[in-house]
Amino acid sequence: EAQVTQNPRYLITVTGKKLTVTCSQNMNHEYMSWYRQDPGLGLRQIYYSMNVEVTDKGDVPEGYKVSRKEKRNFPLILESPSPNQTSLYFCASSLSGGAPYEQYFGPGTRLTVT
Amino acid sequence: AQRVTQPEKLLSVFKGAPVELKCNYSYSGSPELFWYVQYSRQRLQLLLRHISRESIKGFTADLNKGETSFHLKKPFAQEEDSAMYYCALSGYTGRRALTFGSGTRLQVQP
Repeated sequence: EAQVTQNPRYLITVTGKKLTVTCSQNMNHEYMSWYRQDPGLGLRQIYYSMNVEVTDKGDVPEGYKVSRKEKRNFPLILESPSPNQTSLYFCASSLSGGAPYEQYFGPGTRLTVT
Repeated sequence: AQRVTQPEKLLSVFKGAPVELKCNYSYSGSPELFWYVQYSRQRLQLLLRHISRESIKGFTADLNKGETSFHLKKPFAQEEDSAMYYCALSGYTGRRALTFGSGTRLQVQP
């Protein structure tokens, strides 16, 4: 089944404790992206990747890191999480970054930072 | 800068009533417009895009460049249409970002 998977689905952590949220897609998509969803703000892009080893900042990159060593994986890293990063995170992928293809979303990761 | 505005946070209608979810956008070029839907406990998924000019689950959306709008419509709402709806815009820029509106929750009452 073609899909985007994220792990973990739920995470409660404390301020400053490094964490990684994994994202994987099995559709051989070139483009991958991370969004955060906050009430009243919709989804905002954190980072994106046009292909392996090609990543760039989205609208709200502060406090996050990403890497794209393999085509299928695009982990989101919070080196020192803070309470304002409490949010619902979505990973998405699409066929190519060069055209407006449909983006496929993961199920979401609900992160709480205390 | 690209921006998407969904003025209604909540839209409540009765089953069988017409539905119109509003979406206005701001973009200097020719954007690609989408509607994404998120049903309860499900992931966000594409409902329709303007370039396809298709009707999905009875929903249609017409791009009005003069009014910079992309409203989502359905003549007769069903209870299973209850969900969160997001309008999204993609400009032909390098990063292929989808700019989302803040979303409208549609409640269809029996």
